[in-house]
Amino acid sequence: GQQVMQIPQYQHVQEGEDFTTYCNSSTTLSNIQWYKQRPGGHPVFLIQLVKSGEVKKQKRLTFQFGEAKKNSSLHITATQTTDVGTYFCAAANAGGTSYGKLTFGQGTILTVHP
Amino acid sequence: EAGVAQSPRYKIIEKRQSVAFWCNPISGHATLYWYQQILGQGPKLLIQFQNNGVVDDSQLPKDRFSAERLKGVDSTLKIQPAKLEDSAVYLCASSFLVSDTEAFFGQGTRLTVV
Repeated sequence: GQQVMQIPQYQHVQEGEDFTTYCNSSTTLSNIQWYKQRPGGHPVFLIQLVKSGEVKKQKRLTFQFGEAKKNSSLHITATQTTDVGTYFCAAANAGGTSYGKLTFGQGTILTVHP
Repeated sequence: EAGVAQSPRYKIIEKRQSVAFWCNPISGHATLYWYQQILGQGPKLLIQFQNNGVVDDSQLPKDRFSAERLKGVDSTLKIQPAKLEDSAVYLCASSFLVSDTEAFFGQGTRLTVV
């Protein structure tokens, strides 16, 4: 079945430093979504990438989708304490019997030291 | 717009007992997901419905877990009998279409099996 690997598992940064998390799929994806989960909360949608090579920005967050639509990254510039949480990628199958199945990665836990 | 409603928020049961969770998705959302999230891990897809049909249930332990979505709206997830390793947060989510739009999550049900 589809596997979605996310690295690193943990990232500790000083406030102001940059942060990047990577997501890799074993299969070609229809789209990839990114979610943030605060401690004790539920996942909240950040963005969706659909096109090969797509890059989207949200303020300090930059999201990329690989040319082969099998990998993605999230980069945060100049982290702030409000960025603390777990960042998940969620991959949507491109085809097969489970078309549209939404599979989450293991997540990257980000802690930011003031 | 009302969000995804889940109940109960918390449940403590003894092993071998049964439990049921309820989810009311956002009105008009065709796709409904049940995820299991064990502490420190990413959400694991148990079952995904489109309307009242199943898109994927490959990771649903069918010997003890069952789920239904009557009339393509509300859904219930049942565990019978529960095991210690079923202790987790059970998240329900919905999206307008099949995973090509953002998924909205409910607050989740935290299950503790003792």
